[in-house]
Amino acid sequence: DAGVTQSPTHLIKTRGQQVTLRCSPKSGHDTVSWYQQALGQGPQFIFQYYEEEERQRGNFPDRFSGHQFPNYSSELNVNALLLGDSALYLCASSLEGLAYHEQYFGPGTRLTVT
Amino acid sequence: GQSLEQPSEVTAVEGAIVQINCTYQTSGFYGLSWYQQHDGGAPTFLSYNALDGLEETGRFSSFLSRSDSYGYLLLQELQMKDSASYFCAVSFNQAGTALIFGKGTTLSVSS
Repeated sequence: DAGVTQSPTHLIKTRGQQVTLRCSPKSGHDTVSWYQQALGQGPQFIFQYYEEEERQRGNFPDRFSGHQFPNYSSELNVNALLLGDSALYLCASSLEGLAYHEQYFGPGTRLTVT
Repeated sequence: GQSLEQPSEVTAVEGAIVQINCTYQTSGFYGLSWYQQHDGGAPTFLSYNALDGLEETGRFSSFLSRSDSYGYLLLQELQMKDSASYFCAVSFNQAGTALIFGKGTTLSVSS
């Protein structure tokens, strides 16, 4: 049973560029959440997708947007990249209504903005 | 504002017991979770408390007092592999899947 997968593993971008990160949830999971984790900090909630809709959003600017596809996979898009966007981006999946408090995290995408 | 406070570092020896405290101040609260993260790894779920009291899962236990906005993670019979960062996280949705994380506690276990 495949766990949460994310691609790419690492990415280097230049300020002002746009980036798309991808996530495939654990088999059978229908909810995907995205987090940003700066070095030495805890993950910060960006947003959550369920049934292809953004259900909840953290305190992130509109430059951060996302999408969920019918197969429950998800994308995180960041526009107009800033140096401060350099971080580990984590995707977490869960199943609505069943042991719902447990989230499974992927290995993350390490984004470096130069 | 929303904040979670936990110690930045804790050290212990193998076989010992360690307690990692977490106090929180958030506008919404549905439960308190604990996650473990090894260097370079993904956070993994340890426990969840929605109600006051103690939850036990093997060598790990977690406690919550909603009236005190306080919880802790208790790790018993420490092993070297327990060296990692531990995060408390408050759920601000009923599903418990939208989380506000603390900054983490780095636990170092020595022999």
